[in-house]
Amino acid sequence: SAVISQKPSRDICQRGTSLTIQCQVDSQVTMMFWYRQQPGQSLTLIATANQGSEATYESGFVIDKFPISRPNLTFSTLTVSNMSPEDSSIYLCSARGGGGLEQFFGPGTRLTVL
Amino acid sequence: QQQVKQSPQSLIVQKGGISIINCAYENTAFDYFPWYQQFPGKGPALLIAIRPDVSEKKEGRFTISFNKSAKQFSLHIMDSQPGDSATYFCAARGAGGTSYGKLTFGQGTILTVHP
Repeated sequence: SAVISQKPSRDICQRGTSLTIQCQVDSQVTMMFWYRQQPGQSLTLIATANQGSEATYESGFVIDKFPISRPNLTFSTLTVSNMSPEDSSIYLCSARGGGGLEQFFGPGTRLTVL
Repeated sequence: QQQVKQSPQSLIVQKGGISIINCAYENTAFDYFPWYQQFPGKGPALLIAIRPDVSEKKEGRFTISFNKSAKQFSLHIMDSQPGDSATYFCAARGAGGTSYGKLTFGQGTILTVHP
């Protein structure tokens, strides 16, 4: 299994600012994903982070709001830009190894926007 | 749109009892069905998973039953313990098209096991 860490674990931010969340996997993985989870709700896929190319965004999520980088096979970042209180949520990094079906999640970043 | 519907929303079970959580999906374009367990303040942890060519998979106290024709799958937790109290999510992985390789999650079930 892959062990995934995220930084920061939580943050309180002001409206209009941006926050970058880092995701580190302890082994090389093929696929990395970013999810959003509202408290008490299910998980919603934001985008697939592609190594060496632009991320693939799901409907309702755009690159200008959620720019993503993936410089190598173990690391990715998600930026939440120009934040509003509606962006308050838990952001989860996820990864899946090459050839495997199992998908693992990081501990999440709890974001509060005031 | 691919959907996975999960029930019940919440479940209360006595210690030692059986917890059963059900999920149903609406089309056949899924090839892998995992269950995740999530404790408050933590990320989801992979619990057990099944592929559609298998009708049942058991790992310790956790069993997945899969009914391909009915497009339903369920999680059974035998001898439920207070430590099992958590939120459980079923998921289904897209097998093709724009959903290939992506997990679609159910709405979640909050399980409470009373001592």
